[in-house]
Amino acid sequence: DAEITQSPRHKITETGRQVTLACHQTWNHNNMFWYRQDLGHGLRLIHYSYGVQDTNKGEVSDGYSVSRSNTEDLPLTLESAASSQTSVYFCASSDTGTGTYNEQFFGPGTRLTVL
Amino acid sequence: AQSVAQPEDQVNVAEGNPLTVKCTYSVSGNPYLFWYVQYPNRGLQFLLKYITGDNLVKGSYGFEAEFNKSQTSFHLKKPSALVSDSALYFCAVRDIWATGNQFYFGTGTSLTVIP
Repeated sequence: DAEITQSPRHKITETGRQVTLACHQTWNHNNMFWYRQDLGHGLRLIHYSYGVQDTNKGEVSDGYSVSRSNTEDLPLTLESAASSQTSVYFCASSDTGTGTYNEQFFGPGTRLTVL
Repeated sequence: AQSVAQPEDQVNVAEGNPLTVKCTYSVSGNPYLFWYVQYPNRGLQFLLKYITGDNLVKGSYGFEAEFNKSQTSFHLKKPSALVSDSALYFCAVRDIWATGNQFYFGTGTSLTVIP
């Protein structure tokens, strides 16, 4: 079955370190998204991609970057981790398909703690 | 700007009673509306969506939602709640006139079904 996976599931790092969170989907979806989930804020969009070599900034992109070298993967990099980036991170993907109303499929999440 | 509001952080309902989780939306054009459920330590799972047509949408696990354009609402409902329905519920909207496939999520409503 097709799926979307994230690794690691849990990560503890120190302030100032570079961290990369992996996201891999086997749906063959063109669209991929990164969100962070914080209490009281719901899900907020960090970055998104509509295809290989395409990346776009979301609502809360400062301090994060992504790259899309193939259809399956969209790694999220925290250039210099800050305590404010302690959060749960979700990757999602969706099909372009024949319409623009396709639901997004979510990975299981990565819990990141920055000390 | 596109947005959704979930006015209740917490909803408690007795097992067997009907449940309602509220959502109101604000978009510049016609909305595409979605409900997701999140169980502890899991990613979001798609429940149902409204694109066009019948205002009552049926989804997974016996859930349904009613689209009300005049009240700009899309409330999630279930005739008889189960303890296993206890989870975090998110409403999301996509503006059909927006470029791309960006979703805007509410802050979530925690549903507790009391045995």
